[in-house]
Amino acid sequence: QLQLHESGPGLVKPSETLSLTCSVSGGSISSSDHFWGWVRQPAGKGLEWIGTIYYSGTTYYNPSLKSRVTIAVDASKNQFSLKVNSVTAADTAMYYCARQVAGSGWYGDYWGQGTLVTVSS
Amino acid sequence: IVLTQSPGTLSLSPGERATLSCRASHIFSSSYLAWYQQKPGQAPRLLIYGASSRATGIPDRFSGSGSGTDFTLTISRLEPEDFAVYYCQQYGFSPPGITFGQGTRLEIK
Repeated sequence: QLQLHESGPGLVKPSETLSLTCSVSGGSISSSDHFWGWVRQPAGKGLEWIGTIYYSGTTYYNPSLKSRVTIAVDASKNQFSLKVNSVTAADTAMYYCARQVAGSGWYGDYWGQGTLVTVSS
Repeated sequence: IVLTQSPGTLSLSPGERATLSCRASHIFSSSYLAWYQQKPGQAPRLLIYGASSRATGIPDRFSGSGSGTDFTLTISRLEPEDFAVYYCQQYGFSPPGITFGQGTRLEIK
């Protein structure tokens, strides 16, 4: 059974960089049938797509976040990561990683449980 | 493409039928429309992909339909565990990416 698990600091200071890792178990991140994505959700609000990566390293970002976001993959560790630069309080949210199915609208069929990141001094 | 879900909140009783709407600002292929259920403190759960295909393990009381710009999630007979927030999601090509609707909260009446 595929499992995804987000990890990283729960508290980040304003203007600093938010860094999270998603560890994948029970399956290979090098699958040609899947992409790997990040989605966030501020408390009490809706879902926002951050970006997606293919195992080859090709990335796709939400245009509204593109200038501050970097997603990378480490196939040797079966992990992918998220970095968001110059964070503000508006970046405070639950961050989810998900497996997205290629060729079918990138729907997320497996999700991590999420990790809460708070931006505060 | 902007996805608008309606109603914002739907109040129904167990056993009733729920109809949730997702309307897109532009036409797109129904192959790229998905629905999720999210309960408090949990990650989203995939219900429907390709507008009408149920994901693995999803009960058949959940069904999806629609095309063009108008899509619908129907729950035929509500069970207590169905009260949650539902999101639609669309995939776009230019540039490649996904968009979520703002969600519909299904609450017990």
